[in-house]
Amino acid sequence: GENVEQHPSTLSVQEGDSAVIKCTYSDSASNYFPWYKQELGKRPQLIIDIRSNVGEKKDQRIAVTLNKTAKHFSLHITETQPEDSAVYFCAASIGGSYIPTFGRGTSLIVHP
Amino acid sequence: SQTIHQWPATLVQPVGSPLSLECTVEGTSNPNLYWYRQAAGRGLQLLFYSVGIGQISSEVPQNLSASRPQDRQFILSSKKLLLSDSSFYLCAWGQTGQETQYFGPGTRLLVL
Repeated sequence: GENVEQHPSTLSVQEGDSAVIKCTYSDSASNYFPWYKQELGKRPQLIIDIRSNVGEKKDQRIAVTLNKTAKHFSLHITETQPEDSAVYFCAASIGGSYIPTFGRGTSLIVHP
Repeated sequence: SQTIHQWPATLVQPVGSPLSLECTVEGTSNPNLYWYRQAAGRGLQLLFYSVGIGQISSEVPQNLSASRPQDRQFILSSKKLLLSDSSFYLCAWGQTGQETQYFGPGTRLLVL
């Protein structure tokens, strides 16, 4: 089955800095890669996703890049703000399975 | 638009008691439905998923079970709760044929 590794487990940045979270996956058949943000005590919420036919996707301060050859994808947050503090989860889905494999999560702390 | 509900929001139960958590989705038909568990500070563990009424797949053998009595209703049950069942239980849904999952608000279960 698919295996997703996520790093780092904790990331601490100063407000205004950029943050990068990286995930690697094992199955080359994976073709859908969502990212979720989970604030303390809340549900995970989809913030951005990318499919394997696209190399990069942006949404305001958030971007995701995908390297199919190396089988890794990354979340980039620019100009971080304290409200970006949360746990971020990456996931990978094999085409047609609809069962994502999640990474273990990254706790992002943005210091004012 | 689609909405997912879970209840109760919080629950405190004694060891050995039964459990029933309910999840319903509005605004869509024949959704894929999922039950996840999340221990404090940990990642997402898929428990069950369903692609249709009466169709349940189990990912982790344990003292929990799931049922889908109606198209947009997913129930998580246990006959006898264990202390280790204390966790945050999340229901999620996805459109048929699409990989994206959307999470419900969750039920926080404490077994004493």
